[in-house]
This record gives sequence, structure tokens and C-alpha cells, in this order.
Amino acid sequence: NAGVMQNPRHLVRRRGQEARLRCSPMKGHSHVYWYRQLPEEGLKFMVYLQKENIIDESGMPKERFSAEFPKEGPSILRIQQVVRGDSAAYFCASSPPDRPFSGANVLTFGAGSRLTVL
Amino acid sequence: AQSVSQHNHHVILSEAASLELGCNYSYGGTVNLFWYVQYPGQHLQLLLKYFSGDPLVKGIKGFEAEFIKSKFSFNLRKPSVQWSDTAEYFCAVNAYGQNFVFGPGTRLSVLP
Repeated sequence: NAGVMQNPRHLVRRRGQEARLRCSPMKGHSHVYWYRQLPEEGLKFMVYLQKENIIDESGMPKERFSAEFPKEGPSILRIQQVVRGDSAAYFCASSPPDRPFSGANVLTFGAGSRLTVL
Repeated sequence: AQSVSQHNHHVILSEAASLELGCNYSYGGTVNLFWYVQYPGQHLQLLLKYFSGDPLVKGIKGFEAEFIKSKFSFNLRKPSVQWSDTAEYFCAVNAYGQNFVFGPGTRLSVLP
């Protein structure tokens, strides 16, 4: 039972290019979350998705950033026209369908994708 | 909206010292509570969780946490830390149907 798979693990882009980060959730998990971690800073929530739906994108910058979780395939976090300030580790996490008091609602994290913008 | 605060940004201890990391949350309803650990260069891993029942929760590697509902707190403890516990520790809260909210993290440095 593979865990949360993220790729690429490392991505280097020049300013103005596009970055695409992919996340395959654990088998049986239907919820995906994206977080950004900057050096010396904590974990910042970006977006929470279910299949074909964005549930909460309150942490996502309004411009240049977008996320999707299609019916088939991985979730993708897309950053257009990257700037140096986008350099960070981007973590994806997944969880099973939410059931109250089930004890099953736990986030499992992937290894992260480290984006470096030159 | 939910929020999570962690009392200490950076804690430095010697090996065998006792540890307590504070975590407080703000949310009026029923919540699930978590502590995650991030070892240097690695991803976040679940340390322990509370959903219901006994408010004293035991996790991996000798860690435990106590949920005190009246204080909206979920402090993490370990009686005797080891050098290998050096890591960043994140408290998180989640309510049914809602997002997971993480605290800012506490960096623990254990001196050999």
C-alpha cells in the first residue's frame, strides 16, 4: 500500500517559467491537501480538494497558483510565472473520506516537492 | 474559524530532560487533535492523535499528549528526551467536514 507519492522531488525553474507538482494520494483516500513550507517557517495551508472539487482554497494566492484533482490521475498544483519567492517545499497530504468521530480522519503526508526558482 | 497556537518557537534541552510542548486551539465545537513530527529533511509523520475517549493519548516513541477541553489545550509530553527527538513538532486540529489547521511549529533541539 504505497503512501502519498509526490513528484518531482526536486524542481528547478527560472523566473517566469511554470512549475507543476503532482500528488497521488494513498489508495482509498479521496481528499488531498497542499501545504507550503518556507525555510524557517511553519506549514502554510494552501488548498483542500476532493475528486473534481475544490473544497477550500483560502490559503492559495489569488494569482498564478491553481490546483486540481481530476476524476482520474493525480492532483496537480500549478504555479505560473514563478518568482524567487515561490521557492519552498510543497507538501501534499491525503486523508480518507471524512466520517465524524471515526478516528480515521488522519492526514498522511508525502515526501514533498522542493521548488527552487533561479 | 479554527486556529492553533504553539507556545514555544524553539526549545533546547539536554538529553534525559523532560519535555512539554504547549498547544492551544480555538474552536467551539468537537475537534480532532494531532501532533505531527518532522525530522530534519523529512516529511511530516503522525506522532499521536485524539478523537474521543481517554484524554491522555499515548503515541509513538514514548510521547503522550493530554487533551484538556476546558483549557482548549493539547500539550505534548515526553519524560526523557533523546538526541534523536531533535525535530520540528506541529500541533493540528480538525473538525468534521473542515480543513486541518496546523500550528506554527516548535523546533526542539536536544543536546547530547
